[in-house]
Amino acid sequence: QLVLTQSPSVSASLGASVKLTCTLSSGHSSYAIAWHQQQPEKGPRYLMKLNSDGGHSKWEGTPDRFSASSSGAERYLTISSLQSEDEADYYCQTWGTGIVIFGGGTKVTVL
Amino acid sequence: QVQLVESGGGVVQPGRSLRLSCAASGFTFSSYDMHWVRQAPGKGLEWVAVIWYDGRNKYYADPVKGRFTISRDNSMDTLYLQMNSLRAEDTAVYYCARDPERYYFGSSAYIIDFWGHGTLVTVSS
Repeated sequence: QLVLTQSPSVSASLGASVKLTCTLSSGHSSYAIAWHQQQPEKGPRYLMKLNSDGGHSKWEGTPDRFSASSSGAERYLTISSLQSEDEADYYCQTWGTGIVIFGGGTKVTVL
Repeated sequence: QVQLVESGGGVVQPGRSLRLSCAASGFTFSSYDMHWVRQAPGKGLEWVAVIWYDGRNKYYADPVKGRFTISRDNSMDTLYLQMNSLRAEDTAVYYCARDPERYYFGSSAYIIDFWGHGTLVTVSS
């Protein structure tokens, strides 16, 4: 069964960097994912698609301080030079046959 | 610019029905698979259903299978979600979202690349 696992929360100081992890369940390490951001009281916003080889394509409005990489079954989202507006929930998303799966989300707190 | 605008939410009693709409603009609606995703209060994102760009196939999450129906009108650039036999656990903000993978990349993947702002459905007596 395809499952995406994310850490519930992470905190970092303003201007620092933070790396979020999304882990694909066993047997699904070749899958691409998408990263989505949800700021407080707002709808989700697509950030980028991330392939298993680390290649990624960003939405045109995604700031340059957001980058992504892959290693095996792990998919990463790195936020550099953390800004106050980056405080949000971040969800990874992938798919199976006739189904879409979301990770549980990681809440990023900017100190 | 690209827009997805949901409507039709509200308060409804358990067991009743509701139909949500999602009006698309700023892109070629008929070239995108479309999804409904919901978010219960204080919870994460939960996928509800998908319809292919040509309407040929539809898939549903287990909790809504047999009760919800996704449909689209490509001539009107509008997506729908008919929700029957509503339950308290269906209470959520419902988002529509678009997906370019099948038409533009010839892929069997589902990758959402744009979201609407959502409409709140409250199921309560």
